[in-house]
This record gives sequence, C-alpha cells and structure tokens, in this order.
Amino acid sequence: GESVGLHLPTLSVQEGDNSIINCAYSNSASDYFIWYKQESGKGPQFIIDIRSNMDKRQGQRVTVLLNKTVKHLSLQIAATQPGDSAVYFCAEISETSGSRLTFGEGTQLTVNP
Amino acid sequence: ETGVTQTPRHLVMGMTNKKSLKCEQHLGHNAMYWYKQSAKKPLELMFVYNFKEQTENNSVPSRFSPECPNSSHLFLHLHTLQPEDSALYLCASSRFGRGQGGREQYFGPGTRLTVT
Repeated sequence: GESVGLHLPTLSVQEGDNSIINCAYSNSASDYFIWYKQESGKGPQFIIDIRSNMDKRQGQRVTVLLNKTVKHLSLQIAATQPGDSAVYFCAEISETSGSRLTFGEGTQLTVNP
Repeated sequence: ETGVTQTPRHLVMGMTNKKSLKCEQHLGHNAMYWYKQSAKKPLELMFVYNFKEQTENNSVPSRFSPECPNSSHLFLHLHTLQPEDSALYLCASSRFGRGQGGREQYFGPGTRLTVT
C-alpha cells in the first residue's frame, strides 16, 4: 500500500542551529504533503503544508521542500528553539483518498540548550 | 473552552467493561475523526464523520462503535476490548471532510486507554 516514512526516528540539535527532518513517500498521486508537530501530552498540531505542484513553501521559521523526482519531503526549522522539541510527522493526502491523511512514523526532535 | 477537548484523559478498563470516549470541538468544523496512536506506529485513522454522516470506517473491529450526534460532538463506545487495544485515542476535526479539506486537522489531547 501507499506509505510515508521518515528517515530517522530521532534527531538531536543544539539550540540556535537549523534542523532538517526528512520524509520519503510512495504515493505519486498525493495532492498535498503536510507536516504536523506533536508535543508531549498533546495531540498533533498542523505546521505547514505544500501542494504537490510546488517544490518549496516557507512559513514562519519553517520551510518545506518537496522533491517529486525522488519522492522526498523535508522540513527545515531555522534557529531551532527548545520549544521546537517534539515529534514531527509528515503526512499526505490525495483526492482519491478523500479526507484520509496518511501519516509517517515520526521523528523525535530534541533541542539541547 | 476552545479547540478540541477529549474526556476522559486517562482510562483503565477491563476486557469485559463498557466505556465511552467523548470528543467536543468548538471550532465550527464539519468533519470529525477518531485516530489510534500506538507506540512505534503511525497514527491510524479509525473513523471519519462529515456533516454527522460516517464516511469512513477503516476496517475497525466492531468492539469500537462511533457515534456523532451533531457536528460538534463525537463519541467512541468501547466494549469487550483486548489488551492490544491499549493506546492513545485521538479525536480531530477539520472544516471540511472531503477531498483536500481534511489536510488541516485540529487534534484533541487524546485519551490514554489501558485495557487490563
């Protein structure tokens, strides 16, 4: 079946450094790719999404890059802060799957002071 | 209260018990979802309701029974569960539940369920 997966289950960075979280996907028919953040004891929180016909989208301190050639998605966090410590999930959605979000397994980002 | 709320936050139940999880959203959304989150596994979609109508049942065992009386409330009725059903159960809502309208979902904090 279709899937999204992350390259690394954990990532540790120093405060102030940039973080890059990667994700691979298999569904060529995906319409959108989405990043969610889940802090301890909370539900996932929408961060940013990118339409499949784009290759880059920027938000506040975050940038998502999409490489459809190699089916790779990344989330870049600039000047990582302790509050960015969380599990990050990539997800995809396609018109054919209706409202079904397909989530990856998650990367635990730890920001060291 | 704002956002998506879930009660109870923690639940311990025996395999012969019957219990219900409650979710309420205060966002004016039209779609609501139940997810199961187990350790080391991706979030698993269980059920989708769009304008109070169930639009998806992701092959969930019948011991889980959803109910959506209106667009703001969602319940998950539990009976004769198994220990492997222990997990975090998350409720979410989105403005729309069709096509790409479900890509921005708002999640509640979840109910941590332990089946003994």
